[in-house]
Amino acid sequence: GQNIDQPTEMTATEGAIVQINCTYQTSGFNGLFWYQQHAGEAPTFLSYNVLDGLEEKGRFSSFLSRSKGYSYLLLKELQMKDSASYLCLAMDSNYQLIWGAGTKLIIKP
Amino acid sequence: DVKVTQSSRYLVKRTGEKVFLECVQDMDHENMFWYRQDPGLGLRLIYFSYDVKMKEKGDIPEGYSVSREKKERFSLILESASTNQTSMYLCASSSGPAGGQHTQYFGPGTRLTVL
Repeated sequence: GQNIDQPTEMTATEGAIVQINCTYQTSGFNGLFWYQQHAGEAPTFLSYNVLDGLEEKGRFSSFLSRSKGYSYLLLKELQMKDSASYLCLAMDSNYQLIWGAGTKLIIKP
Repeated sequence: DVKVTQSSRYLVKRTGEKVFLECVQDMDHENMFWYRQDPGLGLRLIYFSYDVKMKEKGDIPEGYSVSREKKERFSLILESASTNQTSMYLCASSSGPAGGQHTQYFGPGTRLTVL
C-alpha cells in the first residue's frame, strides 16, 4: 500500500533549528510537497521537490532523496509564529495524492 | 493571488438534514478537491474533479456527492447528514493535467457540526 510517515509532534526552542522528517512509499513518484497549517486555518504551500537535493527558500529548506523515499523540512531561526502543523504530501505516478497526518511543531521561548 | 472561498466557516445541522457546502475559486483552475480533516487522521480526500461535470471518488466518498456545473464552483453534498460527518471540510483547487496537480490552494475551511 501507499503511505506516509512523519512524527506526530515535535518541540523546539525559539531561535533554534528543527528538522521534520517524512518517509513515503508510493507507486511511482511525481513529487513531494510540504504544507504549513496553523490551528484552525487552511494549509498553505511551503515547498515542492521532485528531484533529489535541497531546495532553499528563506528560513525554510526542503530535501528529497527519491532512492530512500525520504524528505525533510528544515526550519532555521525558529520564530513563535512557526508553531503549526507541517503536512507532508506525496504524489504517485498516477497523480494520486497521499497525505501524511501532519507533525505538530511546538515552539518554546 | 489565488482565492478559494467556501460558503460558510461554521455550520450546525441536525441528523438527517441535507447539507450543501460550496466552494468557489477565481483562478480558472481545472482541478478542485474536497477533503475532510479530523484530529490525528490528517487530510482525507472525499472527491475531486478535473473538469466541469467530471468527478472522481477519493478515499472516503461514502455518504457524500459532488457537483461541478461551472469551472469555478465545486459543491459537496451530504444527502442525509450523520454525526460521524462532523468535521472540518476543506476545499482546494489547482492547475495541471487531468487528475494531476501542481500546488493546491485551499479555502478557509468549513467546520460542520451535526447534532
